[in-house]
Amino acid sequence: KAGVTQTPRYLIKTRGQQVTLSCSPISGHRSVSWYQQTPGQGLQFLFEYFSETQRNKGNFPGRFSGRQFSNSRSEMNVSTLELGDSALYLCASSRIQGGNSPLHFGNGTRLTVT
Amino acid sequence: DQQVKQNSPSLSVQEGRISILNCDYTNSMFDYFLWYKKYPAEGPTFLISISSIKDKNEDGRFTVFLNKSAKHLSLHIVPSQPGDSAVYFCAASARYNNNDMRFGAGTRLTVKP
Repeated sequence: KAGVTQTPRYLIKTRGQQVTLSCSPISGHRSVSWYQQTPGQGLQFLFEYFSETQRNKGNFPGRFSGRQFSNSRSEMNVSTLELGDSALYLCASSRIQGGNSPLHFGNGTRLTVT
Repeated sequence: DQQVKQNSPSLSVQEGRISILNCDYTNSMFDYFLWYKKYPAEGPTFLISISSIKDKNEDGRFTVFLNKSAKHLSLHIVPSQPGDSAVYFCAASARYNNNDMRFGAGTRLTVKP
């Protein structure tokens, strides 16, 4: 069974640009959560989608948005990039709504903003 | 708001000895707790979990202890092996409130041969 797939693995963008990250969950998983990992901050929750609906949102500005498609694949968008957005972005999927079972993580997208 | 805290950024132990990783939480609604392990360039992988109705859960060399009154949990690894060297994240959620999973900042464990 294929795991969670995130593309691209690495991305370099310039301040002010926008970026879209993609996540394909494990087959049969309907929940997709996004996290930002930075040194010393651990994993900060961005948002969760379940059956194409955003179910929960973390404490991030509106520049961070996402969506989920009918096949459960998810995308995350960051507009007007800032230097502080440089981080590892992790996507995780689960069969049921997040928080109720272990999450299965992808290997992440490393975003560098210059 | 850091609802899950891992106050030790790093821990170093000798192979064969016990590793104890600690985690504190502030949200009394949390009822499900997990530990994840992360190697460089990979995503975190689930290690072990515990429900708030229990105070101990064991899986091979890994045991998680939960002290609800102190809002504290710990992960014991016995015996520690060099392959256990990784970053360990503590996580928690309030399942019956359908809350998302919150993570600590992680503890880097180094097991020396």
